[in-house]
Amino acid sequence: NAGVTQTPKFQVLKTGQSMTLQCAQDMNHEYMSWYRQDPGMGLRLIHYSVGAGITDQGEVPNGYNVSRSTTEDFPLRLLSAAPSQTSVYFCATTRRGKNIQYFGAGTRLSVL
Amino acid sequence: QQQVKQSPQSLIVQKGGISIINCAYENTAFDYFPWYQQFPGKGPALLIAIRPDVSEKKEGRFTISFNKSAKQFSLHIMDSQPGDSATYFCAASFAHGSSNTGKLIFGQGTTLQVKP
Repeated sequence: NAGVTQTPKFQVLKTGQSMTLQCAQDMNHEYMSWYRQDPGMGLRLIHYSVGAGITDQGEVPNGYNVSRSTTEDFPLRLLSAAPSQTSVYFCATTRRGKNIQYFGAGTRLSVL
Repeated sequence: QQQVKQSPQSLIVQKGGISIINCAYENTAFDYFPWYQQFPGKGPALLIAIRPDVSEKKEGRFTISFNKSAKQFSLHIMDSQPGDSATYFCAASFAHGSSNTGKLIFGQGTTLQVKP
């Protein structure tokens, strides 16, 4: 039982490049979220999903896209990376009706 | 706007001392207030949580104190240990009914160092 798995763990991009951060869960949780963590700003919600085929924007969605075709996977896409997107990204899952969020180990992204 | 404000940003405590981290929130509709603990290189993990119908919740050395009228809550770590050294985040969310979408609003985080 792996829980929430994020790949890659580290990534360096050049400005303008695109990439996808992967998030997979094996807990059969309905809700999934993406956060970014920046020093002094805590974790801020980027996008979230309450089930397959349903996504919505969080606090800081600009520059990111998501889709949820299955319960297990919730990839985060950076369309054209910018230095302001240098951050640590966390994926989290929650079972519907419960309140505990389970986080992955994070992806550390640097955009040069 | 920052809906959950956390202080201090960093905290140094001697082993055996009491660590206190404070949070204030703005939205009175929040009805679930968790604290998450994060060690370096790891994702946050739930430490303890409280609902606004109680004023205090204790789990081992960790206690949440909640003041609904002041819209404030705090984490107290008694007999702090070097193993408690981590970053702590308070958060708030909507726990009930259709408002429960699993979203959390986090505070800015507090880096705690417990000196031996």
